[in-house]
Parts: sequence; C-alpha cells; structure tokens
Amino acid sequence: DTAVSQTPKYLVTQMGNDKSIKCEQNLGHDTMYWYKQDSKKFLKIMFSYNNKELIINETVPNRFSPKSPDKAHLNLHINSLELGDSAVYFCASSSEGRAAFFGQGTRLTVV
Amino acid sequence: AQKVTQAQTEISVVEKEDVTLDCVYETRDTTYYLFWYKQPPSGELVFLIRRNSFDEQNEISGRYSWNFQKSTSSFNFTITASQVVDSAVYFCALSEAEYSGSRLTFGEGTQLTVNP
Repeated sequence: DTAVSQTPKYLVTQMGNDKSIKCEQNLGHDTMYWYKQDSKKFLKIMFSYNNKELIINETVPNRFSPKSPDKAHLNLHINSLELGDSAVYFCASSSEGRAAFFGQGTRLTVV
Repeated sequence: AQKVTQAQTEISVVEKEDVTLDCVYETRDTTYYLFWYKQPPSGELVFLIRRNSFDEQNEISGRYSWNFQKSTSSFNFTITASQVVDSAVYFCALSEAEYSGSRLTFGEGTQLTVNP
C-alpha cells in the first residue's frame, strides 16, 4: 500500500486555469506538508498542517490555498495559474518531527 | 534561521569507487534533526536516515554510512563501492526541535552519477 499518494502525477494546463492536487496518507501521521521543487531541484516548504490546523504558511501567493478535510488528506488548490507555477509539488507527512515521507510528486506544467 | 549547504553540485565516479557527499548546516536550535533523502531519476523522494542532535554516533547501513560531527556542523554521507543504481540527487535536510509542524530545510542537493 502506498504510504503517501498524490494525484495527479502529471498536470498540464493553460495559464489562468484553476487546478487542484490531492494528497492522502495512510501512515497515521498528524502533520502534512506541501513542498515545491523548482527547475533547479531546490525544495522549499509551502504549507504545513497539523491535525487539520494550518501551522506553516510560507511566503506563497494567495492563489495557492491548501485544504485539509481530515488528518489523512491535504489538498492544494491553485487559482489563476501562471507560467512561474510550473514545478514539481510534493506532499509529505510526518509525526512529531520524525522523518517526513513524501508522495511521488506532481509535475505541474503551465503553458 | 536554518540553513543547509551542500557545496558539491555534481559528483561523477566510476562504479565501485567510494564517494562522500558533504553537508554543512546552520541552526540556533540546540535540538534538531538531520536527514538525508535520495531522489532517483524517477523523481520520488526516498528517506534514507534521520539523526537527532544528541546522537553523534556514526551510522552504517549496508554500503551507506553517515558521519555526524557537531563540532564542524557537518553530516556527511558516504557510499562505499558505488553502483550505477546509486545515481541520483541526494539531499541533506535539517528540521527544528521535535514539535508538530516542523519543517524540513533542504540543501541544494548533490547530483551523483555513477558510471559503469
């Protein structure tokens, strides 16, 4: 069974569209994250949720809105997509500062 | 603020060579965690090791070993007898003290290429 799964794996969309990426974890972790990996492979945190509560909100445009319906799910909705949003987005989960386990990533391409 | 530096952007070795990936970190916390992740060409991020700041014992797992030295703020990773399958980007990461919502601060990554 996949521990952290995110869908879709690939997402190609036009500028101005709105899209969502879904993430689910079956590890029983209480904290979930979204990380962004840019074209130079640099990984940076975007958001962190603990027990459905937003804990970390980095300097991310407010076009990005995370939503956590329950502890096992953390979705990322992006409005009015821009070319610069093209990246790989990783969902991750952890428990009390332990190792974060990552999903397989969603490669978003905005054209 | 936390910072992780992986000065080696790319390393290329021939199979069976040993290779060490360097990681230097900065933090004001006295309690923190250090990690290594592997990102193979397929793109997923694979957890390799977690080490807390109070445990400076070196660790060995098969061909992998890690050397944690608080005095030099380094957490280096050595692959012994490298194999082609070790080719990947390796990330070192740092996390604050153990509390919910702790973020990982990643280094820039080291692209390791192991040639046959």
